[in-house]
Amino acid sequence: GAVVSQHPSRVICKSGTSVKIECRSLDFQATTMFWYRQFPKQSLMLMATSNEGSKATYEQGVEKDKFLINHASLTLSTLTVTSAHPEDSSFYICSASARDYGYTFGSGTRLTVV
Amino acid sequence: GENVEQHPSTLSVQEGDSAVIKCTYSDSASNYFPWYKQELGKGPQLIIDIRSNVGEKKDQRIAVTLNKTAKHFSLHITETQPEDSAVYFCAASENTGNQFYFGTGTSLTVIP
Repeated sequence: GAVVSQHPSRVICKSGTSVKIECRSLDFQATTMFWYRQFPKQSLMLMATSNEGSKATYEQGVEKDKFLINHASLTLSTLTVTSAHPEDSSFYICSASARDYGYTFGSGTRLTVV
Repeated sequence: GENVEQHPSTLSVQEGDSAVIKCTYSDSASNYFPWYKQELGKGPQLIIDIRSNVGEKKDQRIAVTLNKTAKHFSLHITETQPEDSAVYFCAASENTGNQFYFGTGTSLTVIP
């Protein structure tokens, strides 16, 4: 089946620094990649949708300058949390989508900003 | 846009009993309805899905039913086991390549 690799799985960073999270589709070319944020015991909150080679589409209330998304190829998308603050601590999950492969999630990244 | 509602938010069952989780959706254009299982600290994993041209689908202890007229679909887990304990999310989409709209999740606990 389709596999999506997300890295790192856990990261702790100091307040004010930036953190990059990678999402790779390993065995298929993803038409679209999605980035979610999940708070404890809550559902997945869509942050942005990205298509290869074009700018990401951000959901209302998500700061595009804070959460930079780059979708450089059909198999790689990155999310950079810039100038991270403790309130950015959360579980971030990516997913990759392609018509014949459905919608596959990465394993998630636990970000803790101290 | 699509609105997916999911009930219950928490569910506890005795090992061996059945568990049922229900979802409703609003957009009649939705044709694809997957169910995901999320274990603590991990990403959601697809466990079963159904398309609008099918009313029921079964995979061992897991089954999904769809009533397109009423716009609701349900997940049924029979002979539950402790390892079934997790958070389950339903979703709706026009197709597998389109954006998915997720339910709010159901935390299932199977008591040994």
